[in-house]
Amino acid sequence: DQQVKQNSPSLSVQEGRISILNCDYTNSMFDYFLWYKKYPAEGPTFLISISSIKDKNEDGRFTVFLNKSAKHLSLHIVPSQPGDSAVYFCAAGDSGNTPLVFGKGTRLSVIA
Amino acid sequence: DAGVIQSPRHEVTEMGQEVTLRCKPISGHNSLFWYRQTMMRGLELLIYFNNNVPIDDSGMPEDRFSAKMPNASFSTLKIQPSEPRDSAVYFCASSFGQKLYGYTFGSGTRLTVV
Repeated sequence: DQQVKQNSPSLSVQEGRISILNCDYTNSMFDYFLWYKKYPAEGPTFLISISSIKDKNEDGRFTVFLNKSAKHLSLHIVPSQPGDSAVYFCAAGDSGNTPLVFGKGTRLSVIA
Repeated sequence: DAGVIQSPRHEVTEMGQEVTLRCKPISGHNSLFWYRQTMMRGLELLIYFNNNVPIDDSGMPEDRFSAKMPNASFSTLKIQPSEPRDSAVYFCASSFGQKLYGYTFGSGTRLTVV
């Protein structure tokens, strides 16, 4: 049973437009969430995170929104750039020592 | 810091052979994780260590898989005997417990078993 779900395997967006990547989770014990970005032949790199006490966290062009009642989070990239083309993984963790649980990823293609 | 270092970057081996993947975590990190990435399952956790002690190996698919962490700066993941379905990218990651900063991943080992 997948605890973290990214239902869109891929997304294509034009340069300059907004990219919205979605993630759903089932475990109500999760209290922090992260987004990772992965380029081919590289490991995932940390992008942005949010604690469950917040509903929004912003870092430059990247904003993560958290809707706890819907168990849903999203990553917004504005404006999208060709260099943002990568696979994006959503991850979630709880306050204990259990490891992060990752979604399957969404491949974002930003078209110039 | 050079980050999490994994070797080899690529490994091609014949079915039935033993494969050993290596990982050097970031100095000072006290947790180490082995993940496997496949198209079907995404990033799945195989095993993790805290302070060099294996905590949960329930993600290890079969007894053919084993992992060790003899000291704070080195870990291995061994597959013996290897099978074609083990072909995947294997990632090692480390962390120092600051949850909102997540883990630092290595570049991965792409394993192909023919």
